[in-house]
Amino acid sequence: DAKTTQPPSMDCAEGRAANLPCNHSTISGNEYVYWYRQIHSQGPQYIIHGLKNNETNEMASLIITEDRKSSTLILPHATLRDTAVYYCIVRVWGGSARQLTFGSGTQLTVLP
Amino acid sequence: DAGVTQSPTHLIKTRGQQVTLRCSPKSGHDTVSWYQQALGQGPQFIFQYYEEEERQRGNFPDRFSGHQFPNYSSELNVNALLLGDSALYLCASSLGGSGYTFGSGTRLTVV
Repeated sequence: DAKTTQPPSMDCAEGRAANLPCNHSTISGNEYVYWYRQIHSQGPQYIIHGLKNNETNEMASLIITEDRKSSTLILPHATLRDTAVYYCIVRVWGGSARQLTFGSGTQLTVLP
Repeated sequence: DAGVTQSPTHLIKTRGQQVTLRCSPKSGHDTVSWYQQALGQGPQFIFQYYEEEERQRGNFPDRFSGHQFPNYSSELNVNALLLGDSALYLCASSLGGSGYTFGSGTRLTVV
């Protein structure tokens, strides 16, 4: 699986959009970008994933650059409950790709 | 619908002892993966079980072993515990290789 690079920490004001970047310059054509988050003392929670098109769900939006070498997770209206470590993971969808390879992630702190 | 259930939630063991952690997957899931998360680090993959067999293994010694039962539940066993085994142990279930759901983990402290 391709390696990802994320900033170690970010702050965001409550109610504002949180934009979390991820670099994955060695991504392969069949690898998806996944985002998980981990709130303190809980297990990681799936947020969203995408291949090359922008994706949106009830939690967040995922913007992938045209060359697919980087992406941004957007939380449109951050709340205090969004404070968590956010992990960007690149992997092949299902099949023989059995593990998730977590990096150190980005600690997002939403400030009141 | 219950998600992934892990037990116990906390555990304290002495060096050299053995420990067994348990995981019940989310309803409809048939695959169980185990991860170790040291303080301040991301989860590290230990192994994955599907159809009661270990299908893939991370870079962990043989002291770490597992089992999957016919009802898809799973156990993680760690022998000869070391202080460095202190961590949060996470179980994730999935249907095949996608759609992972994580439990809240077992906090193991080795003293």
